[in-house]
Amino acid sequence: QKEVEQNSGPLSVPEGAIASLNCTYSDRGSQSFFWYRQYSGKSPELIMFIYSNGDKEDGRFTAQLNKASQYVSLLIRDSQPSDSATYLCAVSGSYIPTFGRGTSLIVHP
Amino acid sequence: DTAVSQTPKYLVTQMGNDKSIKCEQNLGHDTMYWYKQDSKKFLKIMFSYNNKELIINETVPNRFSPKSPDKAHLNLHINSLELGDSAVYFCASSHTQGLTGNTIYFGEGSWLTVV
Repeated sequence: QKEVEQNSGPLSVPEGAIASLNCTYSDRGSQSFFWYRQYSGKSPELIMFIYSNGDKEDGRFTAQLNKASQYVSLLIRDSQPSDSATYLCAVSGSYIPTFGRGTSLIVHP
Repeated sequence: DTAVSQTPKYLVTQMGNDKSIKCEQNLGHDTMYWYKQDSKKFLKIMFSYNNKELIINETVPNRFSPKSPDKAHLNLHINSLELGDSAVYFCASSHTQGLTGNTIYFGEGSWLTVV
């Protein structure tokens, strides 16, 4: 069974710090990796996706992928209180992504 | 313009009732999904349709019946509602082409409470 593991948290960081969110997956055939953000009471929204080993940057967000070690991470630089949310990792092989249970991030002023 | 829209957003109903949730997407995607998110926030796939054809049916009680009249619509009908059906149900859609083809876009969710 394909599994996607995330630490449920909460991960608490001070405003302005770097938040580091991690995700590991079991299926070595996985090709696409996604990070979603979900605010309380809202639907998940896509932050970014990555499918090549290495880093991918988009504004304050950087996704890092290491297929050999089967992990993907999300770094949030200059964290803001508005970044407080649950971050869901999703991993896809040839078809339907499998979601992790999410990591709750709290950015305190 | 809402890309993936679902109705109703909130639904409170009694045990034993039958209810439906409707979903429509205007993104031109060929695949639609129903996900269930429980109180612990775990997002679990229930069904997936590709061009109106059922392609994924996870272990879901047969009280849940999806229907896709066309590739832009996917409705969910639930019979004989139980307390454990209380959850948030998300409709979603995606293309299925290429590496990024299965990026999933979610509707706003339907909060179902069974009392």
